[in-house]
Amino acid sequence: DQQVKQNSPSLSVQEGRISILNCDYTNSMFDYFLWYKKYPAEGPTFLISISSIKDKNEDGRFTVFLNKSAKHLSLHIVPSQPGDSAVYFCAASDDYKLSFGAGTTVTVRA
Amino acid sequence: GAGVSQSPSNKVTEKGKDVELRCDPISGHTALYWYRQSLGQGLEFLIYFQGNSAPDKSGLPSDRFSAERTGGSVSTLTIQRTQQEDSAVYLCASSLEGVFPDTQYFGPGTRLTVL
Repeated sequence: DQQVKQNSPSLSVQEGRISILNCDYTNSMFDYFLWYKKYPAEGPTFLISISSIKDKNEDGRFTVFLNKSAKHLSLHIVPSQPGDSAVYFCAASDDYKLSFGAGTTVTVRA
Repeated sequence: GAGVSQSPSNKVTEKGKDVELRCDPISGHTALYWYRQSLGQGLEFLIYFQGNSAPDKSGLPSDRFSAERTGGSVSTLTIQRTQQEDSAVYLCASSLEGVFPDTQYFGPGTRLTVL
């Protein structure tokens, strides 16, 4: 039973435009949320996180938004760059265990 | 410094054989985690080690799976009598303290294929 869901398996966006990745969760106990980025043949690398006491966290081109009432978070990448082409995983936790979504493959077109 | 390393990067085995997967965490990290990613799925938590505490094995899918961590550093995940459904990418991660919230840093994974 997946507690974290990424319903869009893929996303294609033009270079310079905004990429919006979505994630839904079912466990109301989750209070820490993360996004990881993964290139082929590499492990996931940490991108950005947000605590449940916030509704927005920004780091350069990356912003994560959290809507606790809707149990929904999103990652905005703006402007999108070719190096952003990767698989993005949403993860959530209420302790040391992370629950991951299945990932969204982002392709940035030149 | 060096990141999390795992070996082998790929492992092909026959059904019924035992396999050992190795993880070297980041130096100084006290917490170590194993996850696996089956095709089309997210990462699934398997086991967690923190210092000298008893490991949290709640994610291990069957008693064919076991893991140990020697000297608080290197960890080995062992799968006995492998089955085809064990085919997946096995990922190891480490974190500084294992105290929530704590960023987990992942290795490149071991791709296991059971024929």
